[in-house]
Amino acid sequence: SQQGEEDPQALSIQEGENATMNCSYKTSINNLQWYRQNSGRGLVHLILIRSNEREKHSGRLRVTLDTSKKSSSLLITASRAADTASYFCAPLGGNTGKLIFGQGTTLQVKP
Amino acid sequence: EAGVAQSPRYKIIEKRQSVAFWCNPISGHATLYWYQQILGQGPKLLIQFQNNGVVDDSQLPKDRFSAERLKGVDSTLKIQPAKLEDSAVYLCASSRRGTIPYGYTFGSGTRLTVV
Repeated sequence: SQQGEEDPQALSIQEGENATMNCSYKTSINNLQWYRQNSGRGLVHLILIRSNEREKHSGRLRVTLDTSKKSSSLLITASRAADTASYFCAPLGGNTGKLIFGQGTTLQVKP
Repeated sequence: EAGVAQSPRYKIIEKRQSVAFWCNPISGHATLYWYQQILGQGPKLLIQFQNNGVVDDSQLPKDRFSAERLKGVDSTLKIQPAKLEDSAVYLCASSRRGTIPYGYTFGSGTRLTVV
């Protein structure tokens, strides 16, 4: 199992703007997952992208995966104050089903 | 479907005391995980169960932490004795099985403060 490294550590934008956060990892993966954590709550699964996929959409979320660069990005379009949260990526390889989380990106969306 | 249930929501204890946390995963989810999240950090995996067997407990401080999952459903995590550095949120998560490509469902966590 491996840990994803999110970048930037913190991001502050105005409501309506787009937010982009990046994730890098070190070894080959089967899929990569993104999670959101609102303050004082558990993590919520946002989206899963398989290693043979390059892009995936879910509502205002767009995730890309570049396995050659071992990186992924999460784009939130037309951000809202309710998107204020920490975002974690979790690359998953092997057969253990074990997710290892990094420090995350803390997103603040100002109204 | 009902979510992952955890209790208590908050707990304050003195150092050297014991504490236990409870988790009820989503029905039918074979795999259960306990994470420790210290303020400002990402969640750290403590233990992974597949049904009622331990798959990975390499990060569990076994001198003071123990966990069990009787009958492959509910799970309890115990700390005995607690230290100040155990102050954290303890998150329980479950997934349909231990292999890809399923996402995890997390509970709201138990916030432990050791004073």
